[in-house]
Amino acid sequence: QKEVEQDPGPLSVPEGAIVSLNCTYSNSAFQYFMWYRQYSRKGPELLMYTYSSGNKEDGRFTAQVDKSSKYISLFIRDSQPSDSATYLCAMRENYGGSQGNLIFGKGTKLSVKP
Amino acid sequence: DAGVTQSPTHLIKTRGQQVTLRCSPKSGHDTVSWYQQALGQGPQFIFQYYEEEERQRGNFPDRFSGHQFPNYSSELNVNALLLGDSALYLCASSLALPSPSTDTQYFGPGTRLTVL
Repeated sequence: QKEVEQDPGPLSVPEGAIVSLNCTYSNSAFQYFMWYRQYSRKGPELLMYTYSSGNKEDGRFTAQVDKSSKYISLFIRDSQPSDSATYLCAMRENYGGSQGNLIFGKGTKLSVKP
Repeated sequence: DAGVTQSPTHLIKTRGQQVTLRCSPKSGHDTVSWYQQALGQGPQFIFQYYEEEERQRGNFPDRFSGHQFPNYSSELNVNALLLGDSALYLCASSLALPSPSTDTQYFGPGTRLTVL
């Protein structure tokens, strides 16, 4: 079993739809959870960063962490064609700095149709 | 504010050759991590450098080695290239002692390596 599981999609939605992206994980020591967006042939760009359980909202994006279920989600409201990209979940056990290597999911490819 | 830069953008090598990839971290950052991203996969951690030393290493063979310079820039070297080394190589920079608001890894655009 991989440490982090993420459905690779592809996921296709109409413009304006609410998008739900999810990851499950097996390592209960993970405490820091991130969502990155990666456009084709570009490096990952950090969207959301959450510590432990709970919700975090930033504009159209909401990140949720449920440590009891080992499940994290990213919701995108009012999706736009510019949101079309691959979304990667990432997590780690320890606070950043020299302890901070990230474990990534495979990524979910999202396409938002006009 | 210059972000993370990597060179070259693309590289084509043949099996058995050696390659060197370069990374300059975001201004103010002192830690560099390298990741390998195969097609259709998430990035996999190779190693991390801080204070010119390798601090952490992922599950990669000794053919993968690195270096960090006094100006915090870094190189990734891969010897005896295999077809399976074809991937996007990503460099990420961060702070060794971040605050909660600066606890982030910033990624460069990557170097796409093709091994024939």
